[in-house]
Amino acid sequence: EPEVTQTPSHQVTQMGQEVILRCVPISNHLYFYWYRQILGQKVEFLVSFYNNEISEKSEIFDDQFSVERPDGSNFTLKIRSTKLEDSAMYFCASSELRRETEAFFGQGTRLTVV
Amino acid sequence: GENVEQHPSTLSVQEGDSAVIKCTYSDSASNYFPWYKQELGKRPQLIIDIRSNVGEKKDQRIAVTLNKTAKHFSLHITETQPEDSAVYFCAARPGGGFKTIFGAGTRLFVKA
Repeated sequence: EPEVTQTPSHQVTQMGQEVILRCVPISNHLYFYWYRQILGQKVEFLVSFYNNEISEKSEIFDDQFSVERPDGSNFTLKIRSTKLEDSAMYFCASSELRRETEAFFGQGTRLTVV
Repeated sequence: GENVEQHPSTLSVQEGDSAVIKCTYSDSASNYFPWYKQELGKRPQLIIDIRSNVGEKKDQRIAVTLNKTAKHFSLHITETQPEDSAVYFCAARPGGGFKTIFGAGTRLFVKA
């Protein structure tokens, strides 16, 4: 069964550093997402991406964040100048181009900012 | 703004009993309602979903109901088993978009 894969599984970074989280969505999916889950809390939408541009973003997704699809398979989330409160599990997801269809989640990258 | 409320936050049942989790959503144009199960440290996994043109859907021990008028949907798990213990999230997809808005989650404990 195809799945969304994310690397790394765990990333530890110093406060103020930049991190790049990587994702490989399911190959025939056209919509890509990043979500964040702070420990013990709900999953929060960050951004959706379609046709090489951001289609929607939340209030959380400020200038500190950016997304990119550098090639035909990878989808990345860059966090500039990380803060302690950026520590969370970051999930990538992808879906087909239909509204009433499932978003498939990757296994997540646990980001720890120290 | 778009919001999904979920209750209860914690639910403890005896093995074999039923569990019910309830959610409400704010955007009346929402058209897709997935339920995810998340085990500790793992990804959310879809267990059942329902679309806005359907009032009820069942898959073995799991059923979901949708009341569009009340903007309310519920998850029913019958004959619960210890392996059903996890955090369950309801979610809604607001009309006009592709993002998914999650509820706060229900931690289900099934006691053997």
